[in-house]
Order: sequence, then structure tokens, then C-alpha cells
Amino acid sequence: GQNIDQPTEMTATEGAIVQINCTYQTSGFNGLFWYQQHAGEAPTFLSYNVLDGLEEKGRFSSFLSRSKGYSYLLLKELQMKDSASYLCSFMDSKFQLIWGAGTKLIIKP
Amino acid sequence: GAVVSQHPSRVICKSGTSVKIECRSLDFQATTMFWYRQFPKQSLMLMATSNEGSKATYEQGVEKDKFLINHASLTLSTLTVTSAHPEDSSFYICSARERGDGSPLHFGNGTRLTVT
Repeated sequence: GQNIDQPTEMTATEGAIVQINCTYQTSGFNGLFWYQQHAGEAPTFLSYNVLDGLEEKGRFSSFLSRSKGYSYLLLKELQMKDSASYLCSFMDSKFQLIWGAGTKLIIKP
Repeated sequence: GAVVSQHPSRVICKSGTSVKIECRSLDFQATTMFWYRQFPKQSLMLMATSNEGSKATYEQGVEKDKFLINHASLTLSTLTVTSAHPEDSSFYICSARERGDGSPLHFGNGTRLTVT
């Protein structure tokens, strides 16, 4: 079967670093995506990993290990505006996206 | 970057009426668009895959006669919620891929539907 898991909620301090983990199980894999979703808004694309390793994009980095079925999103120099839900999703063998429930990130001053 | 426009952003309608939501890809052609529904504090749920020039593919449990999807051109897909009921109140979001199967989804801004 297929499943995907990420923490429900995390809290971090402004200026700090936070890592949001995501684990998944699937027989077919065509990449993993991270999206940011602010309350009441649609998701916006953050990153895409299809090969193992770290992809860095400004303050945000995403890591993938296909053998472990594991990914993380790393957010540096946290800002209050980073308070949002972060959605992990993978693309299965049919190129359909399987979504996690999202991790609500709360940033405190 | 790729832009997906969705309209309206908010709609309130009375029970029993129908509501149409439009999704447009503004700067690219999308042979496939996806319609999602999201209830408060829940994950995105794929409702259907809209294919240009052919019938939509609905996910299990989604009533195709209630949620009518039309994808008449490479830049426009519409979702019509027919005979809406209060339990249809939700956040509806469309999305499309700019390129092939492996490219990321770009989302419209969503439509907040409230059925009274």
C-alpha cells in the first residue's frame, strides 16, 4: 500500500532552524514535493526532489533518501511569515500525488 | 512562473442551487487539471482529474453527477457543484502541471464555498 506521514504540529522560534520530517511508503516513486499553505489559502510549491540528496533554495532546503523513504524540509532563519502548514507529497508510479496531512508550523517571537 | 487563476475566490449560495468554479492556466497550456477539496484542518483530497477534450476521471466516492467537470480548452476547466447542500461547503482548489507528468503542480488560489 501507500502511505505518508509527517508530524501534525511543530513550534519554533523566530530566527532559529526547524526540520520537518516526512516518511512514506510506496511501490512506485516519481519524486517528492513540499508545499507551503497559509491558513485559508491554496498551497504554493516549495521544492521537488527526485534524486537522493539535498536541494537548497534560499532559506529552505529539502532532502530525500529514496532507500529510507524519508524526506525533510529544513527552514533556516525563521521568520514570522513562515508560520503555515507544510505539506509533503510524493508522486506514485501513475504520477498521481499522494498527500500528507500537513505539518502546522508555529513560529514564536 | 506558471500561473493558475481560479474564480470566484469566495461564493455563498443557497441550498439546492448550483455553483460554477473556473480554473484557468494563464501562461501555459494544461491538458490535465486537478480538482481538490479541503475541509478545515484536513489534507487535500483529490476529487477528479480533468482531461481536455474527454471525460474527467473521478476519485472513488466522488459523485460525478453532482460535481460536473468540463475541460473544454487547454487553458480552462470548470467545476460545477450541482444542487449544493451545506455539507458541500468546503475549500475547492484546482491545479495544473506546466509540463509533463514529473513537474510540480501549480495551484489556483482556491474557492471558499459556503452553502446556506
